[in-house]
Amino acid sequence: AQTVTQSQPEMSVQEAETVTLSCTYDTSENNYYLFWYKQPPSRQMILVIRQEAYKQQNATENRFSVNFQKAAKSFSLKISDSQLGDTAMYFCAFMSASNTGKLIFGQGTTLQVKP
Amino acid sequence: EPEVTQTPSHQVTQMGQEVILRCVPISNHLYFYWYRQILGQKVEFLVSFYNNEISEKSEIFDDQFSVERPDGSNFTLKIRSTKLEDSAMYFCASSARQVSYEQYFGPGTRLTVT
Repeated sequence: AQTVTQSQPEMSVQEAETVTLSCTYDTSENNYYLFWYKQPPSRQMILVIRQEAYKQQNATENRFSVNFQKAAKSFSLKISDSQLGDTAMYFCAFMSASNTGKLIFGQGTTLQVKP
Repeated sequence: EPEVTQTPSHQVTQMGQEVILRCVPISNHLYFYWYRQILGQKVEFLVSFYNNEISEKSEIFDDQFSVERPDGSNFTLKIRSTKLEDSAMYFCASSARQVSYEQYFGPGTRLTVT
């Protein structure tokens, strides 16, 4: 069975600084997808970034980028130029390429961006 | 921008009672999901649904749970006889395609079983 682990329950960063959130996963599959979702306080979860396991190139979306290390089964999220609006819970998630779209989530990391 | 909606936002029920949690997915989406998050724990997959059938369900999704898409717009989760341990936040999600694509989440329904 696949598992996703986020070992940092809470993190904080100063506005405009860079922060990295860690995520590791375990799977025996070769084809899968990895996601970072953001859940602001009292709001919906929204997708931040997605990575296909078959792609070596790390995904980037504006200030958000990932460091995908397939052999190490590591998928960290880097937020550059942190903004107050980045304050949220961040979830790392795994999806097998061979199932029905089921997402397997990590425990989440609460990120506080300080002014 | 289209979004997934859920009602009610908070439901309080007594143990043994039936509850129905409602979701309105994004209109052109075909794949639907329920997840739950017990306070302080991970978000857990419950069930996926496509073409009026369950595609996959987790071990949590036992005979007390059922899902339905009664009218082509709503997607419901029914718990027949609630237990204290069913207290959680329940999230509905929908997706245009099955695998790899973004799932759009609703704001959740907080279920409290007393």
